[in-house]
Amino acid sequence: AQTVTQSQPEMSVQEAETVTLSCTYDTSESDYYLFWYKQPPSRQMILVIRQEAYKQQNATENRFSVNFQKAAKSFSLKISDSQLGDAAMYFCAYSLPNFGNEKLTFGTGTRLTIIP
Amino acid sequence: DTGVSQDPRHKITKRGQNVTFRCDPISEHNRLYWYRQTLGQGPEFLTYFQNEAQLEKSRLLSDRFSAERPKGSFSTLEIQRTEQGDSAMYLCASSLSAGELFFGEGSRLTVL
Repeated sequence: AQTVTQSQPEMSVQEAETVTLSCTYDTSESDYYLFWYKQPPSRQMILVIRQEAYKQQNATENRFSVNFQKAAKSFSLKISDSQLGDAAMYFCAYSLPNFGNEKLTFGTGTRLTIIP
Repeated sequence: DTGVSQDPRHKITKRGQNVTFRCDPISEHNRLYWYRQTLGQGPEFLTYFQNEAQLEKSRLLSDRFSAERPKGSFSTLEIQRTEQGDSAMYLCASSLSAGELFFGEGSRLTVL
C-alpha cells in the first residue's frame, strides 16, 4: 500500500520569506501523480500544484514550486514571497493515473503560519 | 454552479441516530468521492462513484455506512446507528481527470 509522510506538523515563516514543506512517500509503482493541496481554516481544500512522476521537470505555479526527487521518493513544496493568505494546512497526496485508481492518499498535513 | 456543495455543513446527533449527508458535485464531473477527515489527520478515502456506479469502497466503510449516487448526479452518504467514533468531517470531491479532485467545504458530524 502507498503511504505519504509529512514529518513537519507545523511550520512558520515571516511574510515575504520563503518556506519549504517536506513530503516523502512510499510506492512500488513507477507512474503516479503527486499533489499539494491547501486547506485554509474552515474552507475547502484546493489544489496547489501537481506533478506527474514521468516528468523530470519540477512543476511550478506562480510562487509555488516543487522539488521532486523520484529516486529518493521525496516531494517538497517551496512557497516563495509568503503571503498572509498562504496560512493553511498543506497536505501532500499521491494517486495512480490508471482509471479506477484516482483516489488520493494523503499525508497528515503541515500547518503553515505566516508571521506578519 | 461554481463548486462542490455539501449539506448540512454541521450536524450534531446523539449516539444511535441515523444521519445523511448530501453532496452536489460540479455539474460536468462524472466522478464523485467521499473522504473522512478526523482532527489532525489528512483525509481518508471512503468510496467513489463513476457516474451512478459505486466502484470502490474502503474497508473504513463499515456496514453502517451506505452511499448512493442515483442518476449519476448528487450523492448521499448515510450513517446508521452513529457512534462517537464517527465524529469527523465528511468531505465530498468530484473530478473529471485523474487525481485532480475538487473538494466541497465538508459536513462536520458531532456524535454526542
